[in-house]
Amino acid sequence: NAGVTQTPKFRVLKTGQSMTLLCAQDMNHEYMYWYRQDPGMGLRLIHYSVGEGTTAKGEVPDGYNVSRLKKQNFLLGLESAAPSQTSVYFCASSSDRVNTGELFFGEGSRLTVL
Amino acid sequence: DAKTTQPNSMESNEEEPVHLPCNHSTISGTDYIHWYRQLPSQGPEYVIHGLTSNVNNRMASLAIAEDRKSSTLILHRATLRDAAVYYCILRDVNAGYGGSQGNLIFGKGTKLSVKP
Repeated sequence: NAGVTQTPKFRVLKTGQSMTLLCAQDMNHEYMYWYRQDPGMGLRLIHYSVGEGTTAKGEVPDGYNVSRLKKQNFLLGLESAAPSQTSVYFCASSSDRVNTGELFFGEGSRLTVL
Repeated sequence: DAKTTQPNSMESNEEEPVHLPCNHSTISGTDYIHWYRQLPSQGPEYVIHGLTSNVNNRMASLAIAEDRKSSTLILHRATLRDAAVYYCILRDVNAGYGGSQGNLIFGKGTKLSVKP
């Protein structure tokens, strides 16, 4: 089982460049999430999706956009990267509401913005 | 969501049991207690969750105090692979989605070191 797969795993960008992180899950999960993790900050929710074609803002959505055109994929876009977006990004999915269900995480994507 | 308090770090010897405490004195009756762990350079990994009764699975046991104001994650025989940051998280079963409500709030957790 692949579970949750994130690509790319590493990326270096210059300020102002754009990029897209891809998250794919093969568990037929309805819910998908994008988090970022900074040193000493824990994980913070950027955007999430409760089903194909839906997206919603999380705790720190500014500077990011997302799309969920297919149930198995959740894309995170940075239109104009800033150094403050240097972080490790984690995608997660769940079959049920996160209150009672289990979140499955990808291995992370480390992004550096110069 | 109610907050949790965990020690910043703990040490254990390999093949010995580990008891990781979590205090949640303001827990509500509908809060589930979740535990996740994060190994170095990996994403968080689900460990266990429970509501009122003690829970066991292949990874660990969760002991919940009778008044639910604290809980303990028990690793029965620590291995070097168990060295990770362990997060204790509360989530209200009735909480919907919207803003930050739809997520599990990961604090700083407890960093567990396992000595050979």
